Amino acid sequence: GQNIDQPTEMTATEGAIVQINCTYQTSGFNGLFWYQQHAGEAPTFLSYNVLDGLEEKGRFSSFLSRSKGYSYLLLKELQMKDSASYLCAVLGDNTGGFKTIFGAGTRLFVKA
Amino acid sequence: DAGITQSPRYKITETGRQVTLMCHQTWSHSYMFWYRQDLGHGLRLIYYSAAADITDKGEVPDGYVVSRSKTENFPLTLESATRSQTSVYFCASSESFPSSGETQYFGPGTRLLVL
Repeated sequence: GQNIDQPTEMTATEGAIVQINCTYQTSGFNGLFWYQQHAGEAPTFLSYNVLDGLEEKGRFSSFLSRSKGYSYLLLKELQMKDSASYLCAVLGDNTGGFKTIFGAGTRLFVKA
Repeated sequence: DAGITQSPRYKITETGRQVTLMCHQTWSHSYMFWYRQDLGHGLRLIYYSAAADITDKGEVPDGYVVSRSKTENFPLTLESATRSQTSVYFCASSESFPSSGETQYFGPGTRLLVL
């Protein structure tokens, strides 16, 4: 079966660092996306990991371990505008028609 | 405006009525997708299209119909709306199929309430 798990909610303080974890069990794997979604808005692309390791992009970094079925999104120097939902999504391989499966998302609250 | 748009943004309808949600993109992207987003479920793929006149089922296609006569448009029709179809519907497009890691660009969403 297909399963993607993320914490439902997290709270962090402005200026701090927060790590949002994602574990997955899917029938196939091609890569893993992270999207940001502000309340009432569309998801927007943050990162895509194919290989194991950490990829840094400004204040945001994403890590992948394919052998462990695990990824995390690291947000540094948190700002109030980072309050949003963060969606982990796995891109399947050709056995599953290359479909993208989304997790339920993690709602991040950044407090002053 | 350039990009991907959806209409209507909000819709209230009654059980049994037919409803069509519109999606339009100006990038000439080949691939288009329809998702629904419900609390606790994340985004679930309803249908997708690889090109004009080519469509395929996603994870939750029952009760929905799509068509794609033009590259830029991808309407989603609920043939006989049910309360379980109350949801937020997102249309998305991508230049190529996500197998290459190509990101999907999402429209602003349509909030549908079925009474």
